[in-house]
Amino acid sequence: AQRVTQPEKLLSVFKGAPVELKCNYSYSGSPELFWYVQYSRQRLQLLLRHISRESIKGFTADLNKGETSFHLKKPFAQEEDSAMYYCALSGRGSGNTGKLIFGQGTTLQVKP
Amino acid sequence: NAGVMQNPRHLVRRRGQEARLRCSPMKGHSHVYWYRQLPEEGLKFMVYLQKENIIDESGMPKERFSAEFPKEGPSILRIQQVVRGDSAAYFCASSPRTGSSEQYFGPGTRLTVT
Repeated sequence: AQRVTQPEKLLSVFKGAPVELKCNYSYSGSPELFWYVQYSRQRLQLLLRHISRESIKGFTADLNKGETSFHLKKPFAQEEDSAMYYCALSGRGSGNTGKLIFGQGTTLQVKP
Repeated sequence: NAGVMQNPRHLVRRRGQEARLRCSPMKGHSHVYWYRQLPEEGLKFMVYLQKENIIDESGMPKERFSAEFPKEGPSILRIQQVVRGDSAAYFCASSPRTGSSEQYFGPGTRLTVT
């Protein structure tokens, strides 16, 4: 079964604290993993993808194939990071249509 | 580039009526994906279309739902005889390439069925 699981519905931290948003996946094949973010009153936007291996707004995520995880991390949370975060996957290779499978989302709340 | 446009942003329908949701992709994009987000859930894929073709409709409910992406004009998601369970946010995303996971999302249409 193809599935993305984000076990935490809400994660609340203080400004300056480290953040880790968890994401586990189940996929038969070689997936591409993403993190999307939705700030208040804004549309869903791509934060980062595992194949680019870059850091965006201080966030990083490493694909762990052994644990089938793609956790999102930031060493020092900022108030402007407060948003809804979605982990998603897509199949790779010929025959894949690019459709995204999303987790349920985690609300990150960064308190001052 | 105005980005992906969806209208209306909010739509209220009574049970049994029809709902039509529109999506205009980004300029130069000819691939459109529709997703549905039920309350307290993540986005779920519904259908993937290219101009004048449905490529993947594996996520579409078997009845009452249909989608099109004509040669000219926006993509339309049509829900006939709406029921309360259709109340959700419907998101459209567009992509520049075939089968690409590089997708740009619209603001969504929130459908409420009374």
